[in-house]
Amino acid sequence: GAVVSQHPSWVICKSGTSVKIECRSLDFQATTMFWYRQFPKQSLMLMATSNEGSKATYEQGVEKDKFLINHASLTLSTLTVTSAHPEDSSFYICSAKRQGGYYGYTFGSGTRLTVV
Amino acid sequence: GENVEQHPSTLSVQEGDSAVIKCTYSDSASNYFPWYKQELGKRPQLIIDIRSNVGEKKDQRIAVTLNKTAKHFSLHITETQPEDSAVYFCAASWGGSQGNLIFGKGTKLSVKP
Repeated sequence: GAVVSQHPSWVICKSGTSVKIECRSLDFQATTMFWYRQFPKQSLMLMATSNEGSKATYEQGVEKDKFLINHASLTLSTLTVTSAHPEDSSFYICSAKRQGGYYGYTFGSGTRLTVV
Repeated sequence: GENVEQHPSTLSVQEGDSAVIKCTYSDSASNYFPWYKQELGKRPQLIIDIRSNVGEKKDQRIAVTLNKTAKHFSLHITETQPEDSAVYFCAASWGGSQGNLIFGKGTKLSVKP
């Protein structure tokens, strides 16, 4: 079945530093990648949608200069949290749609980010 | 954009009883409605989904119903077991390669033995 590998699974960083999270589709080509953020005991909130080779579309209220998304190939999308602050501590998870796929989303395993 | 409301936020049932979680959506263009089960710190797991051309779908103890006119869909779990305890999310999407998935706020289901 479709698999999306997400790394790292957890990361602790100092305030002011940047963190990169990777999502790779292992056995299919991901035309579109969605990035979500989930705070404790809350729902998954869509941050942005990225398409291979083009700029990401950010949801209202999400700072595009802070959360840099790159979808350089059909199998790799990255989210970089720049100048991280403690309030950015959250669970980040990606979800991919396969090329030609109409329904069905494949989720990565998530990244627990803690900013100290 | 799409908005998905989910109720209740918490649900406690006795083992063997049924559990029902309800969601409403706002965008009439939405045509795909999955339900996910999420364990703490893990990725959401798809448990059942329904497309807008179907009114009901069943998979063993789990069923989903969809009322397009009223824009609501529900998850039904029968003969609940303690291992059904988790957080459940409904979601809605208009499908297509660009269709993003919008989640409800979640329901914490507790099944008491």
